[in-house]
Amino acid sequence: DAKTTQPPSMDCAEGRAANLPCNHSTISGNEYVYWYRQIHSQGPQYIIHGLKNNETNEMASLIITEDRKSSTLILPHATLRDTAVYYCIVSLSGGGADGLTFGKGTHLIIQP
Amino acid sequence: SAVISQKPSRDICQRGTSLTIQCQVDSQVTMMFWYRQQPGQSLTLIATANQGSEATYESGFVIDKFPISRPNLTFSTLTVSNMSPEDSSIYLCSAEVRGTEAFFGQGTRLTVV
Repeated sequence: DAKTTQPPSMDCAEGRAANLPCNHSTISGNEYVYWYRQIHSQGPQYIIHGLKNNETNEMASLIITEDRKSSTLILPHATLRDTAVYYCIVSLSGGGADGLTFGKGTHLIIQP
Repeated sequence: SAVISQKPSRDICQRGTSLTIQCQVDSQVTMMFWYRQQPGQSLTLIATANQGSEATYESGFVIDKFPISRPNLTFSTLTVSNMSPEDSSIYLCSAEVRGTEAFFGQGTRLTVV
């Protein structure tokens, strides 16, 4: 079973920041938080990952709480192309050397 | 990064037949995986494709139904055997690269009639 809890759906206006929450209260000390997204009819795409510190790349920012029991993925300026299902995954190994356990994810809909 | 190509991209098959899906990675990778995504659902790991040895299957998946081959570090196949309509799903190949992220193919959309 997935070790994360996410809201099933969210809306966001185009051009605004999209903030996607994830709860992972049972995360262990050496597990990473990974975010992937799946645009309709495509395979999942890696977004970002982190262990303790906040992370930022060209796609998004990841904010992890100090107790590591929750995190937020931030898409700073959402576009219509960001409409997708976003999956928050906790994993011991980078990228999932044992495979990844996907939960139900959050269906993010960007509104024009 | 890695580019993962799957063939076929989609197929419609008769029940009782088998379909073999191919997955080609454009670079050598250590770990390759197969996932199933049933209609409207999330992805479920079927198995880890091990190079030169038998695949490691997750609970609920068996080798007789989903035989997997991995002859080298860039190629794997998944066969869906003796298909029934319940096997209608998207099947995705994945590879872990550099230990930091997983890359996925575009998937094979299978419909069993």
